[in-house]
Amino acid sequence: DIQMTQSPSSLSASVGDRITITCRASQNINSYLKTYLNWYQQKPGKAPRLLISATSSLQSGVPSRFSGSGSGTDFTLTISNLQPEDFATYYCQQSYTTPRTFGQGTKLEIK
Amino acid sequence: QITLKESGPALVKPTQTLTLTCTFSGFSLSTSGLGVAWIRQPPGKALEWLGIIYWDDDKRYSPSLENRLTLTKDTSKNQVVLTMTSMYPVDTGTYYCAHENYGESSFNYWGQGTLVTVSS
Repeated sequence: DIQMTQSPSSLSASVGDRITITCRASQNINSYLKTYLNWYQQKPGKAPRLLISATSSLQSGVPSRFSGSGSGTDFTLTISNLQPEDFATYYCQQSYTTPRTFGQGTKLEIK
Repeated sequence: QITLKESGPALVKPTQTLTLTCTFSGFSLSTSGLGVAWIRQPPGKALEWLGIIYWDDDKRYSPSLENRLTLTKDTSKNQVVLTMTSMYPVDTGTYYCAHENYGESSFNYWGQGTLVTVSS
């Protein structure tokens, strides 16, 4: 299985801040065509929501303050100008192979 | 518009078998490349991928669960059924079904989830 490790596990920030969450895969998840790394946002009591697919492809309706980057084994999710609605838990997930695997999550809290 | 919804028992006794149904609309599981996955989340913990069934009836399971888990589909009813045997309290959690996007293989649509508690 490909292990996905996120850091930090939790993060306190203020509205307006810029934050970065890191996700590391235990092996290369690049393919010839794309990198199979996705980011999800989950709020309490709700299903996860896909934010970014294929490392950096922003989903429709997701604000442009969210961005993703990376390659190979190391990836980042950046949120600029944090808004109150951004405080949630974020998960990375590899879709390079099965079993699909998620990171352990990063809880973003208001400072 | 794609929607998915999970249904099944909220409470299961230890050693019993869990059966959950994912009923979806807005797509057909006979369409090449598509899949429906199951993902669960114990209370306060991370997401765990359980398995996926594809349009061609190919199935992939989590290695830790493959001896307990079976996925089937009924294309005419737009349903995917999860069957998990030998349920124990550690299997308590919210179970989600999700549409796997063709190409990028991301989960772009999710059901609302159903909480399953394993307790006597």
